[in-house]
Amino acid sequence: NAGVTQTPKFRVLKTGQSMTLLCAQDMNHEYMYWYRQDPGMGLRLIHYSVGEGTTAKGEVPDGYNVSRLKKQNFLLGLESAAPSQTSVYFCASSLRLRENTEAFFGQGTRLTVV
Amino acid sequence: AQSVTQLGSHVSVSEGALVLLRCNYSSSVPPYLFWYVQYPNQGLQLLLRYTSVATLVKGINGFEAEFKKSETSFHLTKPSAHMSDAAEYFCAVRTANRDDKIIFGKGTRLHILP
Repeated sequence: NAGVTQTPKFRVLKTGQSMTLLCAQDMNHEYMYWYRQDPGMGLRLIHYSVGEGTTAKGEVPDGYNVSRLKKQNFLLGLESAAPSQTSVYFCASSLRLRENTEAFFGQGTRLTVV
Repeated sequence: AQSVTQLGSHVSVSEGALVLLRCNYSSSVPPYLFWYVQYPNQGLQLLLRYTSVATLVKGINGFEAEFKKSETSFHLTKPSAHMSDAAEYFCAVRTANRDDKIIFGKGTRLHILP
């Protein structure tokens, strides 16, 4: 059972470069989320999606874009990376709230911007 | 908007002692509450969740949490700490409104002293 898979697992970028993080889930979940985790800050929601073709801003959306063209995939893009975006990024997915399940997480992507 | 506050970014207990990790929530509607655990270099794993069926919730690895509406709290406890409990613990809230998303606290790192 794959669950939630994130690629890549590690990446080093130079300031100003762009990249896309891919999240794939095989649980037929409606909702998908991107979080970043920084020491002492917990997990902060970047963007999320409640269904294919829809996205919404979370707590810290600036500098990131997302797309949900297919139900199973949620892409996080950095158009022009900055050192402040050095972080560990987690993708998660869940069913709709009325089905009341928790979010399932990927293993994370460690991104360093130099 | 919903939020959670975790009191204490670091908690140290002796092996065999009671574990108490504190979480207070803020929500204008009845919340769904979760505790997650993160071991080093891993993703997040669900410990337990509150779903309004019972105020005392039992989870994995001997953990439990009690929902107290009057105190807006959802503290996590374990009667006897084990060395393997050393990890970071996150409280999270999800609400049944149009702005359905999962918000995490800043986390509490649990240290177990031999």
